[in-house]
Amino acid sequence: DIVMTQSPDSLAVSLGERATINCKSSQSVLYTSNNKNYLTWYQQKPGQPPKLLVYWASTRESGVPDRFSGSGSGTDFTLTISSVQAEDVAVYYCQQYYSAPLTFGGGTKVEIK
Amino acid sequence: EVQLVESGGGLVQPGGSLRLSCAASGFTFSSYWMHWVRQVPGKGLMWVSRISNDGSSTIYADSVKGRFTISRDNAKNTVNLQMDSLRAEDTALYYCARVVGATKSGGFDLWGQGTTVTVSS
Repeated sequence: DIVMTQSPDSLAVSLGERATINCKSSQSVLYTSNNKNYLTWYQQKPGQPPKLLVYWASTRESGVPDRFSGSGSGTDFTLTISSVQAEDVAVYYCQQYYSAPLTFGGGTKVEIK
Repeated sequence: EVQLVESGGGLVQPGGSLRLSCAASGFTFSSYWMHWVRQVPGKGLMWVSRISNDGSSTIYADSVKGRFTISRDNAKNTVNLQMDSLRAEDTALYYCARVVGATKSGGFDLWGQGTTVTVSS
């Protein structure tokens, strides 16, 4: 199984500041035949299902604010919130869909400082 | 409205069975691969199972293989999860989710609100 490790577990950011969340996979999730990274990011607020933010590691889902961006390749990935807003308080998860079983990171809780 | 609505959760004794259903509406259900994901309250997400758009291909997490069965009825726009030999560790909120872009692989762009399964004597 591919193990997804997120860091940090939590972070407190001032409004308007940048937040960076890291995700590392235990093996590469880059499919060389199509040069795509099988990695996605979700945001989950209390009492709600997860919301898709980014897939293919860097493709922003329709309707997601452009302050959210995904980057990385192979085994190391980053979700960046360029200017944190109050509504961004949530838990963020990465997930690989390169191979079954699909696996999620443990989550990163973002709070306002 | 484009949505997924799960049902069928409840309280069941260890060793018992439940059948979860997920009703889809507002989109061409037969085009989409579908998944079940579960979450223990306050904990992280765990993938459970996936079914292809035509129902011909299914896969499971090792922890549920041989006990859970995923199926779908494209005429009724539903995906189901038959859960047998339930254990306490199956207690969770169960979500159904759709793969983005009507393809095999991708993130999950549409989720239901979930249905709660509690396995306890």
